[in-house]
Amino acid sequence: AQSVAQPEDQVNVAEGNPLTVKCTYSVSGNPYLFWYVQYPNRGLQFLLKYITGDNLVKGSYGFEAEFNKSQTSFHLKKPSALVSDSALYFCAVRVYGGATNKLIFGTGTLLAVQP
Amino acid sequence: GAVVSQHPSRVICKSGTSVKIECRSLDFQATTMFWYRQFPKQSLMLMATSNEGSKATYEQGVEKDKFLINHASLTLSTLTVTSAHPEDSSFYICSAFGQPEAFFGQGTRLTVV
Repeated sequence: AQSVAQPEDQVNVAEGNPLTVKCTYSVSGNPYLFWYVQYPNRGLQFLLKYITGDNLVKGSYGFEAEFNKSQTSFHLKKPSALVSDSALYFCAVRVYGGATNKLIFGTGTLLAVQP
Repeated sequence: GAVVSQHPSRVICKSGTSVKIECRSLDFQATTMFWYRQFPKQSLMLMATSNEGSKATYEQGVEKDKFLINHASLTLSTLTVTSAHPEDSSFYICSAFGQPEAFFGQGTRLTVV
């Protein structure tokens, strides 16, 4: 079965420190991977994507993610966290097949950045 | 980037009434749109896939007569919650695929009293 896992419900980090939000996936074929951020009572905002090419992808607001095929991971990173980065982060994979064309989401990770 | 607009952002309705939520792709055409439901502090649950000019595809466990979806044009999909009850109170989000990422509406907070 195709799935996305975010093993941490919450990540706490001090402002200025590097942050990592973990994501692993299980899909057949080459994955299209995404990270989204959600602020309270808002829709999801696209951060970055991996389709092909360089394993390190850079996205919005200084975030980046590293695609690791052997570990089937796509962890989100930022060198220096800001309090304003505090939000809910979702990893997702786009799945295709027959009549299927949809996003599968992880359970989300709440990032809390302390001043 | 592409923009998906969802309206209203917040609605309060009485139990037994119906509520319509609109989702528009503003600068691109979307033959397919998706409707999600999100409970507090939880992930998005895909409810249905809205297909322009044809019937929506509902996920298992989602009542199609309860959650009516219409996708009458390439830029508009609507979700109607019929005979709403307090248990239908939730955050509803629509999305459409760009190439290849999805873009999301702002969400609708539905409260049924």
